[in-house]
Amino acid sequence: DGGITQSPKYLFRKEGQNVTLSCEQNLNHDAMYWYRQDPGQGLRLIYYSQIVNDFQKGDIAEGYSVSREKKESFPLTVTSAQKNPTAFYLCASSAAGGEKPSPLHFGNGTRLTVT
Amino acid sequence: GNSVTQMEGPVTLSEEAFLTINCTYTATGYPSLFWYVQYPGEGLQLLLKATKADDKGSNKGFEATYRKETTSFHLEKGSVQVSDSAVYFCALTLNAGNMLTFGGGTRLMVKP
Repeated sequence: DGGITQSPKYLFRKEGQNVTLSCEQNLNHDAMYWYRQDPGQGLRLIYYSQIVNDFQKGDIAEGYSVSREKKESFPLTVTSAQKNPTAFYLCASSAAGGEKPSPLHFGNGTRLTVT
Repeated sequence: GNSVTQMEGPVTLSEEAFLTINCTYTATGYPSLFWYVQYPGEGLQLLLKATKADDKGSNKGFEATYRKETTSFHLEKGSVQVSDSAVYFCALTLNAGNMLTFGGGTRLMVKP
């Protein structure tokens, strides 16, 4: 089955450590996105990539970094510079062509806890 | 800028009750509008969408009509089930790049 896989489901880290969240898709989608979800605040866009080897900052990119070396993979690194990293992180993808706008397909998320 | 405002939850209903979740938006152009649903422990799934004024999106008994005059996209269902318990997000996009602006989400709890 095609879909988006985020791993791990739960992640625990000590303050001051960088941590990388995995996102892989086999939908052959060109565009991929990272969102952060906090209670009562909806989803906020961290980074997005519309093509391999290219990505742009979203609304809350500070303290995060990404790479897009392969079409199917879009890992997110939460650095020690992120002041409030504990959150639920969602990865999504969408097709570039076809119907406009293309619906977003989401993974099941990674819950990161930093203590 | 663009923004989406949803009614705060939780919304608690008995099974077979009528559901309305309000959503209003502010946008600099003519957005496409969406409702996504998030079941416990999962990511978001597209529930329905509308791409122009007066369009009605519908799916699984849920409906929402794009009202340009009131900048609204309220979600309705005539008879909710316990399995509809989830968090519902209203969202908009203005471009083909699919950058979505989300509302804060509304938790729906349906009791048997």
